Amino acid sequence: DVKVTQSSRYLVKRTGEKVFLECVQDMDHENMFWYRQDPGLGLRLIYFSYDVKMKEKGDIPEGYSVSREKKERFSLILESASTNQTSMYLCASSFRAPGLAQYFGPGTRLLVL
Amino acid sequence: AQSVAQPEDQVNVAEGNPLTVKCTYSVSGNPYLFWYVQYPNRGLQFLLKYITGDNLVKGSYGFEAEFNKSQTSFHLKKPSALVSDSALYFCAVRAPGTYKYIFGTGTRLKVLA
Repeated sequence: DVKVTQSSRYLVKRTGEKVFLECVQDMDHENMFWYRQDPGLGLRLIYFSYDVKMKEKGDIPEGYSVSREKKERFSLILESASTNQTSMYLCASSFRAPGLAQYFGPGTRLLVL
Repeated sequence: AQSVAQPEDQVNVAEGNPLTVKCTYSVSGNPYLFWYVQYPNRGLQFLLKYITGDNLVKGSYGFEAEFNKSQTSFHLKKPSALVSDSALYFCAVRAPGTYKYIFGTGTRLKVLA
């Protein structure tokens, strides 16, 4: 079974803090993704990576950065957390071939006070 | 621009009745289409996909979906709904030649006993 794990299920942070969200997958997937999920907006892509050290901006990259130093690990960084970054964050991974599905982690619910 | 639309925020159906959750898409070329389900406080789980071939695809938990190229639709169906099918359903599309998956805003399915 594919397993995608995220470092925390729930996080509470203060405005201005630097926040690290980590994602690890165990299926040797080339592609990894970070989304945020908000009610009525569905999933919006923040960043994705198609290889180690490679990254591409998604639809809403402002206020975020990412790091992929190893194939199995993809980190999302909130440089200076703000209240409008309160959300559910979902990590996903997939093989490079286009017809294959993504596999999702359980999500991190982040509250920024 | 590529997009996915799920026109219904919520669908209610009685247990034992057939269900349909609608999805339409706009993408250049031949799309790869997916359905995912999300249970409360969980990540998304893959249900089924259409890549090519037979327009009716079967997936997990008795779900199926029909690809209609002329109507650019990929509706999710199940012949007999269960209360346990109550969840949030997402349609997604991946355009050829891209890494990105584009998700709809989600449809909440409520199956009433």
